[in-house]
Amino acid sequence: DAGVTQSPTHLIKTRGQHVTLRCSPISGHKSVSWYQQVLGQGPQFIFQYYEKEERGRGNFPDRFSARQFPNYSSELNVNALLLGDSALYLCASSSDRGRGSVSYEQYFGPGTRLTVT
Amino acid sequence: EDKVVQSPLSLVVHEGDTVTLNCSYEVTNFRSLLWYKQEKKAPTFLFMLTSSGIEKKSGRLSSILDKKELFSILNITATQTGDSAVYLCAVARIAGTASKLTFGTGTRLQVTL
Repeated sequence: DAGVTQSPTHLIKTRGQHVTLRCSPISGHKSVSWYQQVLGQGPQFIFQYYEKEERGRGNFPDRFSARQFPNYSSELNVNALLLGDSALYLCASSSDRGRGSVSYEQYFGPGTRLTVT
Repeated sequence: EDKVVQSPLSLVVHEGDTVTLNCSYEVTNFRSLLWYKQEKKAPTFLFMLTSSGIEKKSGRLSSILDKKELFSILNITATQTGDSAVYLCAVARIAGTASKLTFGTGTRLQVTL
């Protein structure tokens, strides 16, 4: 079975542009979470989606948005890019524990390396 | 504010050595503690610990959680060069309706011949 997949692998954008990152979760997983990892730091929580609804949002500006599709894949959008948005963007998927709750075990994709110049 | 602190920040050992990595946390609504190995990009899941005092083992790796003292350790015995990586500790908690992971900055382990 395929793990979490993300596209593209690498991306170079200039300040002020917009970017869309994509993620497909492990088959059967209904929840997707997005994390930003700056060099030398641990991943930082951006969003969690479950069954197409936003479950939680981290401390990121409104320039960051996301959505989840009926097939449980997800997109992360970032508008008006800043140099500080340069990072590795990780997507993680997790399974359903039942009664609408999400497993705490999250499995990560390979990430998208975004460079803003 | 949630806090996850890992130590040491980096470590260089010789192949065959045993290492102990530490993770302490201060988190509200704690649910579980997770360990990941990150070599180049994707953090790879190692363990999830929910109960105190129960050791989890996978080959040469083992981990244990102390919920009273709010810390966990990850042990690697008979280290190999393939163990070289950043080891991330994360704490899972409930934030509203989300199951959120808060990560430490990681311990960079280098195993030399």
